[in-house]
Amino acid sequence: DVKVTQSSRYLVKRTGEKVFLECVQDMDHENMFWHRQDPGLGLRLIYFSYDVKMKEKGDIPEGYSVSREKKERFSLILESASTNQTSMYLCASSFLGLGGRGTSGNTIYFGEGSWLTVV
Amino acid sequence: GDSVTQMEGPVTLSEEAFLTINCTYTATGYPSLFWYVQYPGEGLQLLLKATKADDKGSNKGFEATYRKETTSFHLEKGSVQVSDSAVYFCALTPTGNQFYFGTGTSLTVIP
Repeated sequence: DVKVTQSSRYLVKRTGEKVFLECVQDMDHENMFWHRQDPGLGLRLIYFSYDVKMKEKGDIPEGYSVSREKKERFSLILESASTNQTSMYLCASSFLGLGGRGTSGNTIYFGEGSWLTVV
Repeated sequence: GDSVTQMEGPVTLSEEAFLTINCTYTATGYPSLFWYVQYPGEGLQLLLKATKADDKGSNKGFEATYRKETTSFHLEKGSVQVSDSAVYFCALTPTGNQFYFGTGTSLTVIP
């Protein structure tokens, strides 16, 4: 079974703190993603990475950065946490898609989520 | 652009009732379609998927058929149980690299 592990399930941080959320996957997936999930808004993509040291902005990258130094690990960084970043953060991974008919059900797998509260 | 629209919730059903959660999509090319389920306090889990038109995905009594003519992928279950209470997300990938999710539909099943 695919395993995507998020290091912290519940965190409480103060405004202005630097926050690291760590994610590790064990399936040799090329793609890794960070989403946040908020009531009524569904999942929103923050950043994704398709290779080591590569990153692409998603829909809501402001206030976040990421790091991918090893293929299996993708970190989300909140440089200066703010109360509007209180949310559930979901890491995910997938194989690199071939595009076109080659999507063949390329599947994204999620971690358990990290609940971050910024006070 | 590519997108998924699913029915608004919340949905409340009695045990053994029939479930339908509507999902329609907009995509170019040949997307793969998915349903994910999220139980309270957990991440999303793959429930079922379909990769081409007229494919039927099925798992745990849930089914969904990929309808290209109506661009739909509605989730159905003939008899829901209390343990099916969760949030259900419809999703698609046009390329296998970008994934687009609906906003989720909350289902509560009462005994």
